[in-house]
Amino acid sequence: ILNVEQSPQSLHVQEGDSTNFTCSFPSSNFYALHWYRWETAKSPEALFVMTLNGDEKKKGRISATLNTKEGYSYLYIKGSQPEDSATYLCAFLHNAGNMLTFGGGTRLMVKP
Amino acid sequence: EPEVTQTPSHQVTQMGQEVILRCVPISNHLYFYWYRQILGQKVEFLVSFYNNEISEKSEIFDDQFSVERPDGSNFTLKIRSTKLEDSAMYFCATKGDRSPLHFGNGTRLTVT
Repeated sequence: ILNVEQSPQSLHVQEGDSTNFTCSFPSSNFYALHWYRWETAKSPEALFVMTLNGDEKKKGRISATLNTKEGYSYLYIKGSQPEDSATYLCAFLHNAGNMLTFGGGTRLMVKP
Repeated sequence: EPEVTQTPSHQVTQMGQEVILRCVPISNHLYFYWYRQILGQKVEFLVSFYNNEISEKSEIFDDQFSVERPDGSNFTLKIRSTKLEDSAMYFCATKGDRSPLHFGNGTRLTVT
């Protein structure tokens, strides 16, 4: 069983605050790390696919970093807005197959 | 943008009945997946399907579950004899090579 952990489980911030959360995953047999954004009543939507140690990806105010040697990825949101409220999921893909293992998610709530 | 389509959006069934959940993948995608989320729990992998056969399956995917692409387009998940604990949101997801998952909107299965 692959262990993919996300912290914190939930986070409340004020509009305009910057925030970050963590995904930890096995450091061996790494193939890729995905981040998804899941709004209530919608399906998960891909944010980033990260494959290389030291990768940094950015999409607007959201960015992510990857450390495959120590097995963690950070997701950063700069200047949070109420529309950023969602659950952020990371998912680990190991090189032995094509099964993505999801973390438990971080539920972000941004208050106006 | 192409979408993964799932039907029905909500299915209520009695314990012991068979259900079939349907998914129409994005047309050029090659990998197909079923995931589920029991209320309040993590997203769990069920099965992956590639080249008309199961490529991986989890412990959850026992003999009561089956998948197929009966007409080369629809991708179905069948549960032969539903149990109360099968109540969950079931997500179909598809991907091309080296791309992130594209999720459908899910089917909420309620077993009474």
